Order: sequence, then structure tokens, then C-alpha cells
Amino acid sequence: DAGVTQSPTHLIKTRGQQVTLRCSPKSGHDTVSWYQQALGQGPQFIFQYYEEEERQRGNFPDRFSGHQFPNYSSELNVNALLLGDSALYLCASSLSTGGAGTDTQYFGPGTRLTVL
Amino acid sequence: AQKITQTQPGMFVQEKEAVTLDCTYDTSDPSYGLFWYKQPSSGEMIFLIYQGSYDQQNATEGRYSLNFQKARKSANLVISASQLGDSAMYFCAMREPWYSIQGAQKLVFGQGTRLTINP
Repeated sequence: DAGVTQSPTHLIKTRGQQVTLRCSPKSGHDTVSWYQQALGQGPQFIFQYYEEEERQRGNFPDRFSGHQFPNYSSELNVNALLLGDSALYLCASSLSTGGAGTDTQYFGPGTRLTVL
Repeated sequence: AQKITQTQPGMFVQEKEAVTLDCTYDTSDPSYGLFWYKQPSSGEMIFLIYQGSYDQQNATEGRYSLNFQKARKSANLVISASQLGDSAMYFCAMREPWYSIQGAQKLVFGQGTRLTINP
């Protein structure tokens, strides 16, 4: 049973560029959440996708956008990159049970983005 | 607003000893979930254990147990018989109350505790 996968593993970009990160959820999961983890910090919630819609969003600017596909995979796009966007980007998948279960989020290995 | 506090930036423990990692939380909602994750140097967050706010008993998963004290708003992780492979960052997280947005599952994380197991 494949877990959550993310690509690419590492990425180096320059300021002002755009980047797309990809995530495939764990088999059977329908919900994808994205988190940004700066060095030495805990992850910060960016947004969550369910049924191809953005269901909830954290305190991130509109430069951060996403998409969920019919197969539940997801992309995170960041435009006009800033030095401060350098971080580990984590994707987590879960099964939405409407509160009936723990709805545990399982994380992928992350994409480490460096902005120069 | 929800908040998770982990007051131990780093801990050093001898192999085979038990270790307790502290976590306190703040929420005004009666319904919430608490999670612990392990993050090795590779970066992946590994789910360890879950405790629901209405659960009557403390959660246990193998060598991991959660010391849940609701009145004190604390959810400490206890690792019994520590192993060298337990060396990692450990994060406590809270799930936003599920009924605020149907099925929403945003996690709020603490700053983490770096655990080092010495041989």
C-alpha cells in the first residue's frame, strides 16, 4: 500500500519565479492538505482540498494556490517567489469521515524548496 | 484561537530509559483531537498516536502512550524503553474542531522537541 508521495524531492528557484509541487495521496484518501515548514519551526497550514475544492485556507497570500484532480492528487503553486518561501513543503492526505473518525493526516516526505 | 506549546526545545535521554515530552494546548472548543508526530532528519512526519477530547482512556500505541490531562490541557507523550532510532523531532498537534467546517481537519502544530537518545 503506497503512502503519500511528493515530487520533486528538492527544488532550487530564483526570486520572482513560479514553482509547482505535486502530491499523490495515500490509497483510499480523498483529502489533501498542504503545510509549509520553515527551518526550526513547526509546520504551518496552507490550505486543504476536498472534492476538487479548496475547503479551508490558512494565513498565506494569494501567491499560493492549489488544485486537486479527480484522482485526488494535488498541486501546490507558488508565484513570484520570495526568499522567505524557502522551506520544506509537506503534503498530507486523509479520509474525510465528517467527524466520525480520527481523520488522521498522513504526511509525505516533503519537497525542500530553496529560493535564491 | 488554538495554540500548542512545547516547552522543551531539546531532550537528551539514555537508551532504554523512558522519556516524557511535554505538550500543552489552548482551545475554547470542547471537541478536538490531539496528535503526536515524529520527524526524522529525512523530513517525513510520521504519525504516532491520537487522543480525542472525549476519549475516556489515555491512548496507547506500542511503546507510545499519551498522558492526557484534560483539566490541565496537557497531552504529554511517553516513550517507554527508548531506542537509538527514536532520535528525531517530535511535534504535538491539535485538530481544529471538526464541526467548525464540516470535515475540516486543519492541524495546528507546536514548535517541536528535539529528542536525542544516547547509547
